[in-house]
Amino acid sequence: DGGITQSPKYLFRKEGQNVTLSCEQNLNHDAMYWYRQDPGQGLRLIYYSQIVNDFQKGDIAEGYSVSREKKESFPLTVTSAQKNPTAFYLCASSFSNQPQHFGDGTRLSIL
Amino acid sequence: EDQVTQSPEALRLQEGESSSLNCSYTVSGLRGLFWYRQDPGKGPEFLFTLYSAGEEKEKERLKATLTKKESFLHITAPKPEDSATYLCAVQMFSGGYNKLIFGAGTRLAVHP
Repeated sequence: DGGITQSPKYLFRKEGQNVTLSCEQNLNHDAMYWYRQDPGQGLRLIYYSQIVNDFQKGDIAEGYSVSREKKESFPLTVTSAQKNPTAFYLCASSFSNQPQHFGDGTRLSIL
Repeated sequence: EDQVTQSPEALRLQEGESSSLNCSYTVSGLRGLFWYRQDPGKGPEFLFTLYSAGEEKEKERLKATLTKKESFLHITAPKPEDSATYLCAVQMFSGGYNKLIFGAGTRLAVHP
């Protein structure tokens, strides 16, 4: 079955720690995206990538980093510079201007 | 400023009681409007794409319509399994890519 797999489902971060969220897709999509979802707000774009080895900052990129070494994979690192990391993180992928398809998210909390 | 506003924030219906959810938008250069359904603890699930004013799409008890300023998601004779958060997103071309701007969603609860 084609789809987007995010792991882990739950993640806890200690003070000063960097954590990495995994996103893998087998839909052969060129574009991949990372969003952050907070209660009462719309999804906000963190980073996006349209092709391998290229990515761009979204609206709230500060404190986050990404890589796109393979078409299937787009990991997100939440660095210690992100002072309010508690949120639900969603990864998506798509062909060009087609609808984005989402994974089931990672919930990040602070210890 | 490009913006997407959904109303109401929350809606409670009795089973079989039809209603509509609203998505109003102010964006420059609309390329498409998407509706998604999101269950608790899950990612959004794609429902519909609308591209031009007057367009309508239907799926089971759901029907989406589009005007130049807003979209409606009509729910006919809803069932408890329709309970979810419904998200609206507008696509526009910005910064060299097709950007999505999401509304905050409408939380729908359908009671037996």
